[in-house]
Amino acid sequence: RKEVEQDPGPFNVPEGATVAFNCTYSNSASQSFFWYRQDCRKEPKLLMSVYSSGNEDGRFTAQLNRASQYISLLIRDSKLSDSATYLCVVNPGNNRKLIWGLGTSLAVNP
Amino acid sequence: NAGVTQTPKFRVLKTGQSMTLLCAQDMNHEYMYWYRQDPGMGLRLIHYSVGEGTTAKGEVPDGYNVSRLKKQNFLLGLESAAPSQTSVYFCASGLSHYEQYFGPGTRLTVT
Repeated sequence: RKEVEQDPGPFNVPEGATVAFNCTYSNSASQSFFWYRQDCRKEPKLLMSVYSSGNEDGRFTAQLNRASQYISLLIRDSKLSDSATYLCVVNPGNNRKLIWGLGTSLAVNP
Repeated sequence: NAGVTQTPKFRVLKTGQSMTLLCAQDMNHEYMYWYRQDPGMGLRLIHYSVGEGTTAKGEVPDGYNVSRLKKQNFLLGLESAAPSQTSVYFCASGLSHYEQYFGPGTRLTVT
């Protein structure tokens, strides 16, 4: 089992839709979690950090389920500008480096 | 603030040539990283630094060397480029290991 797994997609949704991605992780001792956004041919940018049960920032909500070892990212009222790849990143603890998922591709269509 | 900058943005090398990629940050971050990103492989850590004068190996260090002589700069060197090093290289910095800020990337092609 990979340490961090994401559904690669692509997810194709119309503008205004709600879409959710899941990310599963294998190390139950993982301490914190991050969602990064990467536009085509651009650098990753930090979207949200999750240190406890979840986090919310406007239309974006991240939720952590430690029992099932997954985190989710919910995007409400999707915009065309939300089209990107969303990278799930896990801090495994014990001073190990971040573990990056391969990303989930989202295309929001007019 | 310029954030994290990388030089050059694009480069084409021939097998066996050497080059240095420069990363600079103006956020006073202690931690700096070099990643490569390849299709289907995701981001892979090459080397990193937790402060001026320190460096450490990441996941895929072979064929690369780094130096952090000044806090704001992190250099990545390829001594003898190989086609397998064709990739997009990203530099990142952060106050900790966990929230990283990336540069715009360098697209390197080795022929």
